[in-house]
Amino acid sequence: QQKVQQSPESLIVPEGGMASLNCTSSDRNVDYFWWYRQHSGKSPKMLMSIFSNGEKEEGRFTVHLNKASLHTSLHIRDSQPSDSALYLCAASNMGYKLTFGTGTSLLVDP
Amino acid sequence: GALVYQYPRRTICKSGTSMRMECQAVGFQATSVAWYRQSPQKTFELIALSTVNSAIKYEQNFTQEKFPISHPNLSFSSMTVLNAYLEDRGLYLCGARDRESAETLYFGSGTRLTVL
Repeated sequence: QQKVQQSPESLIVPEGGMASLNCTSSDRNVDYFWWYRQHSGKSPKMLMSIFSNGEKEEGRFTVHLNKASLHTSLHIRDSQPSDSALYLCAASNMGYKLTFGTGTSLLVDP
Repeated sequence: GALVYQYPRRTICKSGTSMRMECQAVGFQATSVAWYRQSPQKTFELIALSTVNSAIKYEQNFTQEKFPISHPNLSFSSMTVLNAYLEDRGLYLCGARDRESAETLYFGSGTRLTVL
């Protein structure tokens, strides 16, 4: 059973549009969430991490976290074709072990 | 900046043979190194977690006998896939954690293993 669930599995947004990706952990012990982006044929690169309730913004990327529901979301505004990639959510509980979801494949349509 | 060099990038081995991959942390001290395998279906599986001064912890379905890991210092780790078979194919990634910035896991570029 996958402990980190991501939705949707795939997403298509027009260039300039808003992409919203979701992630939920079923492990009540997690306290840290990460979002990684993986372009085709490349290794994942960390986008943002969050451990406090609320919102964190970096440029066009905004991450929300609701610790009560163990749900995090990533929002990409003004989406660009270069944002097309596999977006991976990962969660950990105090230690160094990250559990990854299966990802959301984002395609930004120019 | 912090970087993780992983090599080789790609490798092909015959069924039943072994191959070794290595990771080098540059610009930071890797207190822990996690080895992952990403399947063709994109699922990430944690193979094992190696923390300095602690025993290497293997996840269920992965063993030291199959995936021996070495983590001799704060900048280097290696893993070998012994007796590789078709089900071992995939992208192997090492992720190293910076002791100063424990929230960040830096990934190497990955080693893509093809088994013939």
